[in-house]
Amino acid sequence: SQTIHQWPATLVQPVGSPLSLECTVEGTSNPNLYWYRQAAGRGLQLLFYSVGIGQISSEVPQNLSASRPQDRQFILSSKKLLLSDSGFYLCAWPDRRGNTIYFGEGSWLTVV
Amino acid sequence: ELKVEQNPLFLSMQEGKNYTIYCNYSTTSDRLYWYRQDPGKSLESLFVLLSNGAVKQEGRLMASLDTKARLSTLHITAAVHDLSATYFCAVDWGSTDKLIFGTGTRLQVFP
Repeated sequence: SQTIHQWPATLVQPVGSPLSLECTVEGTSNPNLYWYRQAAGRGLQLLFYSVGIGQISSEVPQNLSASRPQDRQFILSSKKLLLSDSGFYLCAWPDRRGNTIYFGEGSWLTVV
Repeated sequence: ELKVEQNPLFLSMQEGKNYTIYCNYSTTSDRLYWYRQDPGKSLESLFVLLSNGAVKQEGRLMASLDTKARLSTLHITAAVHDLSATYFCAVDWGSTDKLIFGTGTRLQVFP
């Protein structure tokens, strides 16, 4: 089995403040990890993916960055938040056999 | 660029009725996923469809895939209130496990 932990679950931050969202995974699965964002009432957009420690690919230009300091840890960061960074951030982890892709419980970010 | 379109965007249906949600995608893909999302919650995996003609069923939901038509359907049979949620289809882009999501279909089932 596999488990995805995300924290914090909810965050309210002022514009211009920094951000750090963390995703850690437990269990046996494939090495790839993904960050998605869902804006209010909309679908999900892939932000970053990582195939291993220190390896990050960005899918869209933005105010955010990601890091993979450990095999089972994926971090989403920003130095200065914008209002448009508000949304629901989800970490995703594929099943080892490729049967499905699981999502963590998510982190709600409101930038005020 | 891979695009995924769902319709309808919103579906209000009476309990006991049947309906189908459609998911069209623009380029060839190996896998198609269906997810359910309850308000304020994360995504719950429903189905993964891996090949042309694949059909999977779980309870009142049945998903199918036609890779030639680049179309997947999610059929709801005899809807019940508990099925009220938003349903997303997503396509795996280039066998990388990177998902391109549809816009979602918000389903409301009323008595």
